[in-house]
Amino acid sequence: GAVVSQHPSRVICKSGTSVKIECRSLDFQATTMFWYRQFPKQSLMLMATSNEGSKATYEQGVEKDKFLINHASLTLSTLTVTSAHPEDSSFYICSAIELGQGLLPPYEQYFGPGTRLTVT
Amino acid sequence: DQQVKQNSPSLSVQEGRISILNCDYTNSMFDYFLWYKKYPAEGPTFLISISSIKDKNEDGRFTVFLNKSAKHLSLHIVPSQPGDSAVYFCAASESGNQFYFGTGTSLTVIP
Repeated sequence: GAVVSQHPSRVICKSGTSVKIECRSLDFQATTMFWYRQFPKQSLMLMATSNEGSKATYEQGVEKDKFLINHASLTLSTLTVTSAHPEDSSFYICSAIELGQGLLPPYEQYFGPGTRLTVT
Repeated sequence: DQQVKQNSPSLSVQEGRISILNCDYTNSMFDYFLWYKKYPAEGPTFLISISSIKDKNEDGRFTVFLNKSAKHLSLHIVPSQPGDSAVYFCAASESGNQFYFGTGTSLTVIP
């Protein structure tokens, strides 16, 4: 089955530093990757949609200069949290849609295991 | 504004009985609905989905019901098994563009 990995799984950083999270599709090519954020006991909130070779589309209220997304290849997207602050501490999850599969139901997206970011 | 809601944060069910997880939505343009299962420290995994042109979809022990007039869907698991214990998210989409997730319901199946 389709596997999506994220690295690192857990990261602690100091306030003001930047952190990069990688999302990789291991056995398929992904035209589209989504980045979500989940707060405790809250739903997954879509942050941005990333298409290979083009700029990411950010959801309303998400600062694109703070959350830098790069989708350089069909198997890798990165999320960089710049100048992190304690309020950025959260669980970040990516998902990927397989090339040619996402335009029709079930619009299946494969989720990574998530990255727990703690900013001290 | 939360477009997809799961009003029950938790549910406990005896093994072998039926689990019913509920989900409500507000956007009448949603035409596709999905249920995901999530274990701690893992990403969600797809469970079952339903198109708005249907009112029921069944896959083994899992059945999803859709009531468009009430903007309500539910996931039935029968019989429930201890391995079903997890957090269940419902999600809604308009033609595959963006997915809006509910807040999740934590299901515990008691052996």
